[in-house]
Amino acid sequence: AQSVAQPEDQVNVAEGNPLTVKCTYSVSGNPYLFWYVQYPNRGLQFLLKYITGDNLVKGSYGFEAEFNKSQTSFHLKKPSALVSDSALYFCAVRDISSSASKIIFGSGTRLSIRP
Amino acid sequence: DTAVSQTPKYLVTQMGNDKSIKCEQNLGHDTMYWYKQDSKKFLKIMFSYNNKELIINETVPNRFSPKSPDKAHLNLHINSLELGDSAVYFCASSLGGANVLTFGAGSRLTVL
Repeated sequence: AQSVAQPEDQVNVAEGNPLTVKCTYSVSGNPYLFWYVQYPNRGLQFLLKYITGDNLVKGSYGFEAEFNKSQTSFHLKKPSALVSDSALYFCAVRDISSSASKIIFGSGTRLSIRP
Repeated sequence: DTAVSQTPKYLVTQMGNDKSIKCEQNLGHDTMYWYKQDSKKFLKIMFSYNNKELIINETVPNRFSPKSPDKAHLNLHINSLELGDSAVYFCASSLGGANVLTFGAGSRLTVL
């Protein structure tokens, strides 16, 4: 069975500081990993994904994430936070070893950037 | 042009009623999904269709029935609505089952 965990309900960061939103996963095979962002009263928007290759993945709005197989983590990062980054962030995983598997979302982390 | 569009955006109804939510995508994707987001923002998959064929059917009450008339449309019909059905329902689509999901803006259902 596959699962994904986001251990922090909320992350608070001052504008201009680096930010990290944590994600760990569990799959029986190899994972596809994703980050999505949700702004108030909107649908989720894709930020970035890891399929294979370089462990550091760059995505939209200056975000990046690092795939760490030994720690089964895929933390989202940004070197310098903006107030406009404040939103709800979801990590998602799919186990590609199973054709019947689906994309599972974490519980979400609310990112709050203070001016 | 909206890539994934859902109607209605808001739906307020009484317990026991039957309601439908419609979804259309113009991206040429072959896979469509319904997700439910509860008041705590948990996002859970309900159904998935690939080329009009049901491929994922989670543990969802029989009162929920998806219908895909073609691969660009996926509708959700809910019978005998209950208070616990209140949530935001998101339609999404992708090219293949493992690729990036494109979400609609959501349909907020409130059951009184």
